[in-house]
Amino acid sequence: GAGVSQSPRYKVAKRGQDVALRCDPISGHVSLFWYQQALGQGPEFLTYFQNEAQLDKSGLPSDRFFAERPEGSVSTLKIQRTQQEDSAVYLCASSTGTAYGNTIYFGEGSWLTVV
Amino acid sequence: AQKITQTQPGMFVQEKEAVTLDCTYDTSDQSYGLFWYKQPSSGEMIFLIYQGSYDEQNATEGRYSLNFQKARKSANLVISASQLGDSAMYFCAMRGMDSSYKLIFGSGTRLLVRP
Repeated sequence: GAGVSQSPRYKVAKRGQDVALRCDPISGHVSLFWYQQALGQGPEFLTYFQNEAQLDKSGLPSDRFFAERPEGSVSTLKIQRTQQEDSAVYLCASSTGTAYGNTIYFGEGSWLTVV
Repeated sequence: AQKITQTQPGMFVQEKEAVTLDCTYDTSDQSYGLFWYKQPSSGEMIFLIYQGSYDEQNATEGRYSLNFQKARKSANLVISASQLGDSAMYFCAMRGMDSSYKLIFGSGTRLLVRP
């Protein structure tokens, strides 16, 4: 597609429920990123994929968070047993490569509210 | 370690006037890229402009220009001829050569354009 596509745009989950957030990056982009953005703050890095390989997951806040990109295109961020502190916007982004000059393009985000 | 500082939580500007959004950064990387993103209320992070650390000229993209002062480690965004649609959050971000897959964000500046 023309841009990074994320779904669902909005998700309300009951505490303890599992959620899955989907990201479809720009076609041909080998690098894929997930960021978490709390209300009123800048995005925080969660994890990074190069093709299907997850090269960095240092930003995942707990083992309840899991991300995959099995075929090197679409990615899913899964949050198990959601808690209220997981409420945030989850932004997916992609780029052609990892050189510092490569622009990272973001999707519209998935807004997660845990009640 | 890398750090981005945006000291203006909120800014007002009159329509058709110019406005400068401040950004300072700290990095030990010799090579790095600086980015500005716009985030309207819809949530999407929209890429605006890029400046490489070795670029001799300040970057410009339409009404956006980046006032890059390497010695001061500042990368201020200048928006000329402000429009009502410019009202949004603005984030400064950087990618360093040594950790080039990660984009590090500042806390953002909320810009409100007055008619």
